[in-house]
Amino acid sequence: NAGVTQTPKFRVLKTGQSMTLLCAQDMNHEYMYWYRQDPGMGLRLIHYSVGEGTTAKGEVPDGYNVSRLKKQNFLLGLESAAPSQTSVYFCASIGEGLGEQYFGPGTRLTVT
Amino acid sequence: AQSVAQPEDQVNVAEGNPLTVKCTYSVSGNPYLFWYVQYPNRGLQFLLKYITGDNLVKGSYGFEAEFNKSQTSFHLKKPSALVSDSALYFCAVRDPLLGDKLIFGTGTRLQVFP
Repeated sequence: NAGVTQTPKFRVLKTGQSMTLLCAQDMNHEYMYWYRQDPGMGLRLIHYSVGEGTTAKGEVPDGYNVSRLKKQNFLLGLESAAPSQTSVYFCASIGEGLGEQYFGPGTRLTVT
Repeated sequence: AQSVAQPEDQVNVAEGNPLTVKCTYSVSGNPYLFWYVQYPNRGLQFLLKYITGDNLVKGSYGFEAEFNKSQTSFHLKKPSALVSDSALYFCAVRDPLLGDKLIFGTGTRLQVFP
């Protein structure tokens, strides 16, 4: 049981490049989330999904797209990276009910 | 709208002393409150949660939190700090109207000195 995994762990992009971050969970969780963490700002929600085939916008969705084609995977895409997207990205998942969210180890992205 | 506030950017405490990391909340409806810890270059780890019931909630690694409805607070506590407790601590509240997402405070860095 690996929990929540994220790939890649680190990435450096040039402005305008695109990339996809992959989040996978093996706990059969329904809900999945993408957050970004910036110094002094805590974690902010980018997009989330309440089930396979569904996605919804969070607090800071601009510049990102997501897809949830399979229940266990939640992909975060950057179509045209900008320096403002330099951040640490965390994926999380939760089953139904009032349990806690499980977090992945994070992806550190630098856009130059 | 749901929100939490962590008024201290950093808390310093000597090893063996009790520690408190503060959190206040603002919610409509019942508060579902959480504490998470983040060690350097790691993801967030769950410590404890308050859903309902006893106001004193016990969690992982000897931590506990006291829910105070009148003061709208959910402070994290530990009777005797360890150097290994040094980390970044986040308070969070669940928003049931937005996919059960967590709304996080800005974090408090705990530094325990030997």
